[in-house]
Amino acid sequence: GAGVSQSPRYKVAKRGQDVALRCDPISGHVSLFWYQQALGQGPEFLTYFQNEAQLDKSGLPSDRFFAERPEGSVSTLKIQRTQQEDSAVYLCASSSPSTIPGELFFGEGSRLTVL
Amino acid sequence: GNSVTQMEGPVTLSEEAFLTINCTYTATGYPSLFWYVQYPGEGLQLLLKATKADDKGSNKGFEATYRKETTSFHLEKGSVQVSDSAVYFCALSRSGGGADGLTFGKGTHLIIQP
Repeated sequence: GAGVSQSPRYKVAKRGQDVALRCDPISGHVSLFWYQQALGQGPEFLTYFQNEAQLDKSGLPSDRFFAERPEGSVSTLKIQRTQQEDSAVYLCASSSPSTIPGELFFGEGSRLTVL
Repeated sequence: GNSVTQMEGPVTLSEEAFLTINCTYTATGYPSLFWYVQYPGEGLQLLLKATKADDKGSNKGFEATYRKETTSFHLEKGSVQVSDSAVYFCALSRSGGGADGLTFGKGTHLIIQP
């Protein structure tokens, strides 16, 4: 596709439910990033992949958060047993070695509300 | 670790006014510095960047100069337009040039009134 696509755009979950958020990066982009953006805050780094390898997951807030990118393209961020503090916009971004270093192409985000 | 501090918003200006949004950073080593912009209903996008001390990044009339001595990267524009209304994020590379991602500030909401 032309840009980074994320789904669902909006998700409402009851506390304790599991959720899965999908990211479809720009075709051919090697690197993929997940960020969490709470209301009124900047994006906070969660994890990143280079192809299918998860090179850094130091930003994942707890072991309830899990991300995968099994074929080096589409990625899924899974949150188990959701809590109210997980409510945020989850942003996905991708980049390529051929683009400007540090230029991340962001999707519009998935807004998660945990009740 | 690396961190960014930027001025709180919202910042409200009249059209054609001069804009400054302050950004300072804390980092080990020599990070690259960035400004990203988020227009209403859109994803974040790169506005400009600078990779070393005294570099000036510029785009769409916006400028920012990498000041190592003051650890700052303030965003400026000489004459703002209504279409510049957006949220602006200052960011720095987590390491090196940014290939492993960026650390963002909290964002500054800019409102330009006609």
